[in-house]
Amino acid sequence: EDQVTQSPEALRLQEGESSSLNCSYTVSGLRGLFWYRQDPGKGPEFLFTLYSAGEEKEKERLKATLTKKESFLHITAPKPEDSATYLCAVRGSQGNLIFGKGTKLSVKP
Amino acid sequence: DADVTQTPRNRITKTGKRIMLECSQTKGHDRMYWYRQDPGLGLRLIYYSFDVKDINKGEISDGYSVSRQAQAKFSLSLESAIPNQTALYFCATSDLTRQEQFFGPGTRLTVL
Repeated sequence: EDQVTQSPEALRLQEGESSSLNCSYTVSGLRGLFWYRQDPGKGPEFLFTLYSAGEEKEKERLKATLTKKESFLHITAPKPEDSATYLCAVRGSQGNLIFGKGTKLSVKP
Repeated sequence: DADVTQTPRNRITKTGKRIMLECSQTKGHDRMYWYRQDPGLGLRLIYYSFDVKDINKGEISDGYSVSRQAQAKFSLSLESAIPNQTALYFCATSDLTRQEQFFGPGTRLTVL
């Protein structure tokens, strides 16, 4: 069964304190791993797609990496505006996305 | 203008009522999806459609039905709403070549 597990559930950082979010996945043949950002009461906003182990993508203070079993979202010198819930998903065998429950990130000034 | 729009944005209804949530997109994508989001459970797929003539059940389709009226429109219906269908509902779209899905702003549905 395809499955996505994210950790930690919640993460509190001070502004400038770098850290990483984890996404572990089980899927029969990876057809894409996706990272989204979701602000309260809004729809998920697409960040990155990764397809193969060793691949990396960057956007501002965010960097996503991928291995055969997990993905990391590294946040370098975060700012309060980076506070959000970060969602990880994999593409299932039917073409749908299977989401993890997310990591709620809070960055305090 | 938003690429994926949902109406209504908020809806309060009573048990047993029929409810329709609508989704429209201007991205030109063939594929459309309906998800619900509950605290602690994450996003779960209700139905998806790869083109106008293709409708598929997702993980939690019981109690829901959909209609794909056109490439750009995908509606979700609750034939007889019940309180445990209270949730945030999201529509999403994707195209054939790129896998990422783009989400609408959501509909907050409360069933009393």
